[in-house]
Amino acid sequence: GQNIDQPTEMTATEGAIVQINCTYQTSGFNGLFWYQQHAGEAPTFLSYNVLDGLEEKGRFSSFLSRSKGYSYLLLKELQMKDSASYLCAVLDSNYQLIWGAGTKLIIKP
Amino acid sequence: IAGITQAPTSQILAAGRRMTLRCTQDMRHNAMYWYRQDLGLGLRLIHYSNTAGTTGKGEVPDGYSVSRANTDDFPLTLASAVPSQTSVYFCASSDSRGAGTDTQYFGPGTRLTVL
Repeated sequence: GQNIDQPTEMTATEGAIVQINCTYQTSGFNGLFWYQQHAGEAPTFLSYNVLDGLEEKGRFSSFLSRSKGYSYLLLKELQMKDSASYLCAVLDSNYQLIWGAGTKLIIKP
Repeated sequence: IAGITQAPTSQILAAGRRMTLRCTQDMRHNAMYWYRQDLGLGLRLIHYSNTAGTTGKGEVPDGYSVSRANTDDFPLTLASAVPSQTSVYFCASSDSRGAGTDTQYFGPGTRLTVL
């Protein structure tokens, strides 16, 4: 079966750095997405990786290793507004998005 | 309208009743999707449409139906609601399916409670 694993919850301090990991086992791979979802709101697109390596976008970076079935989202200079759930999703061989359950990130002052 | 809109925002429904959740996008995206999101679970695909006039079944299609008469609208119908259909429903769209980055953009969601 297809599976996306990410930690259920993480806590970090304002101004610090946090890394959210995602491992996947899917039938085929056509890219990996990270989305941010604030409580009670819709998911919003953060990043897309299809090749190995690090993609940097401001305070957020996303890394992919296809051989290890592994990705992480790195958030720097954490702000209170970064408190949200972060969803990892993989585009499989049928171009269907397979979603992880999400990681709830709690930022403390 | 900017992006994707969904209606209603929330609804309480008696079991056995018929309900249609509405979704409209103004981005001229070809592909549209319906997901449900339940606590502790990832988003699960109910139905999708690659282009106007075509639809397909996702991971959890039972009890739901969709239609895609035009590019902009993609309604989801529960023919006879059951309590297990209590969930948050998200509609999404993407420029294409099966090509490019296929980034999906989401509507604000409909919170449905079936009693």
